[in-house]
Amino acid sequence: DAKTTQPPSMDCAEGRAANLPCNHSTISGNEYVYWYRQIHSQGPQYIIHGLKNNETNEMASLIITEDRKSSTLILPHATLRDTAVYYCIVNDYKLSFGAGTTVTVRA
Amino acid sequence: DTGVSQNPRHKITKRGQNVTFRCDPISEHNRLYWYRQTLGQGPEFLTYFQNEAQLEKSRLLSDRFSAERPKGSFSTLEIQRTEQGDSAMYLCASSLGSAAFSGNTIYFGEGSWLTVV
Repeated sequence: DAKTTQPPSMDCAEGRAANLPCNHSTISGNEYVYWYRQIHSQGPQYIIHGLKNNETNEMASLIITEDRKSSTLILPHATLRDTAVYYCIVNDYKLSFGAGTTVTVRA
Repeated sequence: DTGVSQNPRHKITKRGQNVTFRCDPISEHNRLYWYRQTLGQGPEFLTYFQNEAQLEKSRLLSDRFSAERPKGSFSTLEIQRTEQGDSAMYLCASSLGSAAFSGNTIYFGEGSWLTVV
């Protein structure tokens, strides 16, 4: 399965959009990109996933580059409750979690 | 809410005792997964089932750990002769089929916290 690279941490202002990058340069053509987040002491929460096209749901938008080597998760209007660790995972049938990005939303 | 359910949510046990955690997956999900998470680390895969068959076990799953899914519905994870190093959150997840190459989603429960004293 393709490896992913995410920044270890990022801050975001409440009410602003949060753009979380993920590099997956070794992704193959039929591998999906999944995003999860984990709020302190809770189980991981599924956010969104995609293959080639951009995806949007009630939580977030996922933008995948045309060459599929990177993607960006967009939280359109970050709130304090979006403070969490965000994980980008490629395809893995059993989900191999890396270190993720610790996102802190500040008032 | 018909999400993944885990019980108990918290367990404190003395070293050397046995503990068992139960997981009820989302209805009709044929795959069930167990993970372990220690403080400051991401979840680590332990094992998974396709229906009642245990298809893969991680090296993390020592011989003191056993998982079952006898009727392809709920699952149990038992830890025998607990050690302090077993203190962690144990997560259960389920999916309708494989997440690989198919876009199926794996959904997690809230976890069961184990503290070994």
